[in-house]
Amino acid sequence: QKEVEQNSGPLSVPEGAIASLNCTYSDRGSQSFFWYRQYSGKSPELIMFIYSNGDKEDGRFTAQLNKASQYVSLLIRDSQPSDSATYLCAGYTGRRALTFGSGTRLQVQP
Amino acid sequence: GAVVSQHPSRVICKSGTSVKIECRSLDFQATTMFWYRQFPKQSLMLMATSNEGSKATYEQGVEKDKFLINHASLTLSTLTVTSAHPEDSSFYICSANLKVRQTGRLYNEQFFGPGTRLTVL
Repeated sequence: QKEVEQNSGPLSVPEGAIASLNCTYSDRGSQSFFWYRQYSGKSPELIMFIYSNGDKEDGRFTAQLNKASQYVSLLIRDSQPSDSATYLCAGYTGRRALTFGSGTRLQVQP
Repeated sequence: GAVVSQHPSRVICKSGTSVKIECRSLDFQATTMFWYRQFPKQSLMLMATSNEGSKATYEQGVEKDKFLINHASLTLSTLTVTSAHPEDSSFYICSANLKVRQTGRLYNEQFFGPGTRLTVL
């Protein structure tokens, strides 16, 4: 079992819709989780991180963490074509480095 | 946020040559830096953890004699791909940890460099 798992997609949503990206993790001891966005050929850029159960909102983005279910999600409201990218979920799984999921490719259709 | 730079951004070399990639933390000190590799359409795979003043810690399956890591200062880590071959062609990304405080708690946040695209002919 991979430590951090994501559906590879692609996830296709129309412009203006809500995009929902999901991630599960296997290490119950993991404390904090990160969502990165990566455009093709570029380095990942941090969108937000979450460490407490519940929701955390930042602009159009909402991260959700459910430690009991070992589940992390990212909601993108009012999706824009510029949001089209690969979204990487990552967590600290007992090491000092982040462990990344395989990423979900999001396509926002104009 | 904190800034991490990498140099060069792109390098093309002949098979058998060695290539050095630099990773710098520009506005903070990093005792620990990380080197990742990413092949097309795949996620980031951790290669090694670079520790200032001590030996790097390599992930399973990563040859330490082929991927030499030196972390001689608190702001610079280098990765040297020795005797590069076409299968080493990849996107190499470094990152550095910085403790950030949020709502009274300290958390590790990783800041990534822009990456180095290595092509070995």
